Amino acid sequence: NAGVTQTPKFRILKIGQSMTLQCAQDMNHNYMYWYRQDPGMGLKLIYYSVGAGITDKGEVPNGYNVSRSTTEDFPLRLELAAPSQTSVYFCASRLTGAVGEKLFFGSGTQLSVL
Amino acid sequence: DQQVKQNSPSLSVQEGRISILNCDYTNSMFDYFLWYKKYPAEGPTFLISISSIKDKNEDGRFTVFLNKSAKHLSLHIVPSQPGDSAVYFCAASPNRDDKIIFGKGTRLHILP
Repeated sequence: NAGVTQTPKFRILKIGQSMTLQCAQDMNHNYMYWYRQDPGMGLKLIYYSVGAGITDKGEVPNGYNVSRSTTEDFPLRLELAAPSQTSVYFCASRLTGAVGEKLFFGSGTQLSVL
Repeated sequence: DQQVKQNSPSLSVQEGRISILNCDYTNSMFDYFLWYKKYPAEGPTFLISISSIKDKNEDGRFTVFLNKSAKHLSLHIVPSQPGDSAVYFCAASPNRDDKIIFGKGTRLHILP
């Protein structure tokens, strides 16, 4: 059982380039999340989805886009990469929106924008 | 505007002693609190949680205490072990809301 799989693990982008961070889960979870972790800054919520076809903004959505066409996949798109987007990105999922339902995290994507 | 605050960036504790990690929150709508543990190059993993209707929850060596009037919670690890060296994140969620808000984390070092 793979859980939450993120690809790639590492990526270096030039300013202005675009890329998609992939996230897939095989637990049939309805809820999926994207967080970024900057050094000393904890985890900030970028976007989340409560089911296929439904997405919503989190705390820091600017510069990102998401889509949720299937239950399994929740890709995060950076259209015009900026140095401020250098961070470690974590995808997470949970079965329902029930309070206390724990999140399962992927192992992260380390992105550098130079 | 930080809604979940972990004011100690790091903490060092002797092996076998008690580790106490603190967390404060500002949003009175939060009613469920979680602790996650993170090793380098891995995603966070769930550790323990507590609902606002309780003031204590225990799971083995880990106990979480909640003081609603002070908007404060703490994680106690007894006894501390070398494998407990990690970053610990406090997280909170309002009821009927799908967001989970994390603090900045506290890096715990267990000293031999």
